[in-house]
Amino acid sequence: AQKVTQAQTEISVVEKEDVTLDCVYETRDTTYYLFWYKQPPSGELVFLIRRNSFDEQNEISGRYSWNFQKSTSSFNFTITASQVVDSAVYFCALSEASGNQGGKLIFGQGTELSVKP
Amino acid sequence: KAGVTQTPRYLIKTRGQQVTLSCSPISGHRSVSWYQQTPGQGLQFLFEYFSETQRNKGNFPGRFSGRQFSNSRSEMNVSTLELGDSALYLCASSSGAHSTDTQYFGPGTRLTVL
Repeated sequence: AQKVTQAQTEISVVEKEDVTLDCVYETRDTTYYLFWYKQPPSGELVFLIRRNSFDEQNEISGRYSWNFQKSTSSFNFTITASQVVDSAVYFCALSEASGNQGGKLIFGQGTELSVKP
Repeated sequence: KAGVTQTPRYLIKTRGQQVTLSCSPISGHRSVSWYQQTPGQGLQFLFEYFSETQRNKGNFPGRFSGRQFSNSRSEMNVSTLELGDSALYLCASSSGAHSTDTQYFGPGTRLTVL
């Protein structure tokens, strides 16, 4: 069965702190993609990153970095030197290549990040 | 390029009514997916359309239906509304070439059922 778990429901940090959002997934598929999205209060889901199951290289984009470990089925997201504008709900999602005729993303429950000044 | 647009942004309906939501994808995108977001169930996949055909469907009752037009715009219909249908309805578009393409989301339609 496919499943994404974000165990941290809420995280609160003070500006400039580093914060890591955890994501653990379950799938029987050997080819799959993992995503992170950000949902600010406006409601729109903003795409952050897409990673395929064959690429375990860590990725860094500015203050954002992602750590993908197949051995532990985890795809964690770290924000370095957090800012107030990072406050949002963050979702991790899974898309399987086989058995997915199209367009189905399986989302975790989301982690609400609050960055205080 | 303009992003995904959804209309209306807010809707208030009463139980038993029906509602139609609209989604215009990013230009050139042929796939549109719909999701329901509620505090209790989170984000759940409703269905996906590609080239006017429903390719995939989530686990929702038949009251939820959709369609896609030749210009890739999509509509979603919910008939016989129930209180539990109150939610944020998000649509997303992608190129559709692969089932795992990145999906880009619209701002959502917030539906309140009284």
